[in-house]
Amino acid sequence: QVQLQESGPGLVKPSETLSLTCTVSGGSISSYYWSWIRQPPGKGLEWIGYIYYSGSTNYNPSLKSRVTISVDTSKNQFSLKLSSVTAADTAVYYCARIHGYSTQLGYYYYYMDVWGKGTTVTVSS
Amino acid sequence: DIQMTQSPSSLSASVGDRVTITCRASQSISSYLNWYQQKPGKAPKLLIYAASSLQSGVPSRFSGSGSGTDFTLTISSLQPEDFATYYCQQSYSTPGFTFGPGTKVDIK
Repeated sequence: QVQLQESGPGLVKPSETLSLTCTVSGGSISSYYWSWIRQPPGKGLEWIGYIYYSGSTNYNPSLKSRVTISVDTSKNQFSLKLSSVTAADTAVYYCARIHGYSTQLGYYYYYMDVWGKGTTVTVSS
Repeated sequence: DIQMTQSPSSLSASVGDRVTITCRASQSISSYLNWYQQKPGKAPKLLIYAASSLQSGVPSRFSGSGSGTDFTLTISSLQPEDFATYYCQQSYSTPGFTFGPGTKVDIK
């Protein structure tokens, strides 16, 4: 079955760029949307953005100016870059697969059905 | 932007109890509503998609209902492994995927 694994530095200095990679195993990155979500300590889930395997993206407006999500289909990976980080960006970062379910009437429902275990990123000098 | 609210924010219940969690959207989202369960230190797990469809492998004691702006997650008979935080998520609007603030279910 498909598994996701986040990787990247656990400590980032303020004002620098946070960079994470999600490696997809057990399946192809093609034909799906892929997402990043984060969770600050003791708080709820925040959707960061998603990318289609073809490269089209969509971002949370509150983070859009600082976020870039990219995909490398040859490596079955997608990545997150978050620039100009502050302590408020300290969180567990998750990657997830977005699955689309279509009805007979042609409606598409999207949901996150496979998640990575998450990686903790601390922003501190 | 569509805002999601959940009630209650926390609840205490006993094993065997029927538990109901409510999620409300700030505008109609049809049936574009998902539910997730998260246990401490773990990634969220999909329970329900499209408001009422049970994800494969999820016990049938979990059910979802609603459409428009008001939705409900029901656990028919709470089990020890169900103590967790539950999040709703809308997938209606672009850019989409807004999560609710969560409902923590703990042991009475």
